[in-house]
Amino acid sequence: DQQVKQNSPSLSVQEGRISILNCDYTNSMFDYFLWYKKYPAEGPTFLISISSIKDKNEDGRFTVFLNKSAKHLSLHIVPSQPGDSAVYFCAASDLNTGNQFYFGTGTSLTVIP
Amino acid sequence: DTAVSQTPKYLVTQMGNDKSIKCEQNLGHDTMYWYKQDSKKFLKIMFSYNNKELIINETVPNRFSPKSPDKAHLNLHINSLELGDSAVYFCASSQGTGGSPLHFGNGTRLTVT
Repeated sequence: DQQVKQNSPSLSVQEGRISILNCDYTNSMFDYFLWYKKYPAEGPTFLISISSIKDKNEDGRFTVFLNKSAKHLSLHIVPSQPGDSAVYFCAASDLNTGNQFYFGTGTSLTVIP
Repeated sequence: DTAVSQTPKYLVTQMGNDKSIKCEQNLGHDTMYWYKQDSKKFLKIMFSYNNKELIINETVPNRFSPKSPDKAHLNLHINSLELGDSAVYFCASSQGTGGSPLHFGNGTRLTVT
């Protein structure tokens, strides 16, 4: 049972435009969410997180939005750069059960120069 | 100075063999994990160790056994390898047991022939 889903396996965006990556979850107990970026042959690298007490968190060009009622989060990258081309994973956890994270299957982002 | 390092990067072996993957972190984290990424790119937790105690043990075959000689190391031993064990295995670490992101190694691609 996949509790975290990323329904878009791939996304292409022009350089300078906004990239929006989406993630849905089914477990209403999840209260901590993260986004990871992964290049080929490397491990996932932490990008940005958000807890359920907030609906937005921003770090430079990266902003994560959380809609708890819809059980949906999104990652916005503005402006997109060619170096952003990678696979992006979202992950979720229930802090009451420790640091056990459930991952989506990833979205491959290609930023076209 | 790699934060989370795992060896080997590639491992090709035959069915029935026993193999080990090593992981070390120099971040001073007190929790370490093993994740498996299957052919569908699904990242799923296998084990985690906190202060040398197993705190998460998902339903993985008992042919897989984590060994933690100290809090900076979490090795993965696999007995009687099967074709279905072919995957990329990621080691990760985090500080604490809730609300902190995972730091991943670069993965070990295991191929069982």
